[in-house]
Amino acid sequence: EVQLVQSGAEVKKPGESLKISCKASGYSFSTYWIAWVRQMPGKGLESMGIIYPGDSDTRYSPSFQGQVTISADKSISTAFLQWSSLKASDNAIYFCARFGDHFEPVDYWGQGTLVTVSS
Amino acid sequence: QSVVTQPPSVSGAPGQRVTISCSGSYSNIGAGYDVHWYQQVPGTAPKLLIYGTKNRPSGVPDRFSGSRSGTSASLAITGLQPEDEADYYCQSYDSDLRGSNWVFGGGTKLTVL
Repeated sequence: EVQLVQSGAEVKKPGESLKISCKASGYSFSTYWIAWVRQMPGKGLESMGIIYPGDSDTRYSPSFQGQVTISADKSISTAFLQWSSLKASDNAIYFCARFGDHFEPVDYWGQGTLVTVSS
Repeated sequence: QSVVTQPPSVSGAPGQRVTISCSGSYSNIGAGYDVHWYQQVPGTAPKLLIYGTKNRPSGVPDRFSGSRSGTSASLAITGLQPEDEADYYCQSYDSDLRGSNWVFGGGTKLTVL
């Protein structure tokens, strides 16, 4: 059974760093893309960027370039999303999602990680 | 502001038919790229509803259907049921974008009256 299990909710202060994770199981992690998708409170879905764990090819949507870092560790079938300095505007639910290629849909989603940034 | 536009909300009574539009351009839907639809109950992860513009994954009722015309796509729901109340998002590929090249519509909240 394919599963994407994300790390738990986080409460952080502005300026702090954070790394959240998405552990994959039930399929060959290296051969599917992983996307990170942001959903701000009461808002829609935004694609932040994608990574192909097989060769670590990583692409960022322009709004998120330089704001976050996406990475993956094939040895533990886990993708990561990290911030070096959180802002209040980073308050959101972050989903990881699996897809086969850029024209294909997301067929599996993680359960989401709530990130709360507050002083 | 998304490059693909959906109505913020639609509503219908149980048993009725509703459609949700997804209006794009010649760099995404109009270029023939597939459109996918997701259903999201608030507080949960999105669920794939329609892929490749008109195909239903296993387990999705045939009350849900997708279509495309020109630079727009549509999701139709017939025989509306209370459990259909959710947010619906369209997604496509956009050749003018960088990064993932994905574009999501802004989402449509479906209310079952």
